Amino acid sequence: GQSLEQPSEVTAVEGAIVQINCTYQTSGFYGLSWYQQHDGGAPTFLSYNGLDGLEETGRFSSFLSRSDSYGYLLLQELQMKDSASYFCAVRALGGQNFVFGPGTRLSVLP
Amino acid sequence: EAQVTQNPRYLITVTGKKLTVTCSQNMNHEYMSWYRQDPGLGLRQIYYSMNVEVTDKGDVPEGYKVSRKEKRNFPLILESPSPNQTSLYFCASSLRTATGELFFGEGSRLTVL
Repeated sequence: GQSLEQPSEVTAVEGAIVQINCTYQTSGFYGLSWYQQHDGGAPTFLSYNGLDGLEETGRFSSFLSRSDSYGYLLLQELQMKDSASYFCAVRALGGQNFVFGPGTRLSVLP
Repeated sequence: EAQVTQNPRYLITVTGKKLTVTCSQNMNHEYMSWYRQDPGLGLRQIYYSMNVEVTDKGDVPEGYKVSRKEKRNFPLILESPSPNQTSLYFCASSLRTATGELFFGEGSRLTVL
């Protein structure tokens, strides 16, 4: 089965850099996705790591290391609008079901 | 505009009264799925569908049914709702699950009394 862990809360100041970690215990998966969800809103896709290494999309980067069972989302030049919950997710190997982590609530302070 | 549309957005019902939450996407996606979101538990997959007439259970399918008679629609059916099904429900679709990208609807908040 799949089990993903994330810190429940992270706080940072505007302009700073923050890293949100996702560790997992899994029998195998295709890749690691990240989603952002603002209060009262729907999750929106941020990034996907199918292979180990770093993927960069503007201010956001995501990293995956299968050997370390670990991934992270890196947010640079934090803005107030980045205050939201962030979820990591995997698609189980051999299947089409997605498993999400419990989410990390990011608070960006002025 | 490309979107996933859910209805109703909010619903209060009573135990045992059958209800259906509709989901429709206009992106010609083959993959569709349902999730429930509860505090501290993230999103848990209920059912998914790879294509018309092809559905499979996710991690928490008990108490739910789905159908996929048309590519664009994937309704979630609660035959006999119970209070533990009070939750926020999301429908999502994907063109190719290999991209890891899901497009979510705006959510349906269901309260079962």
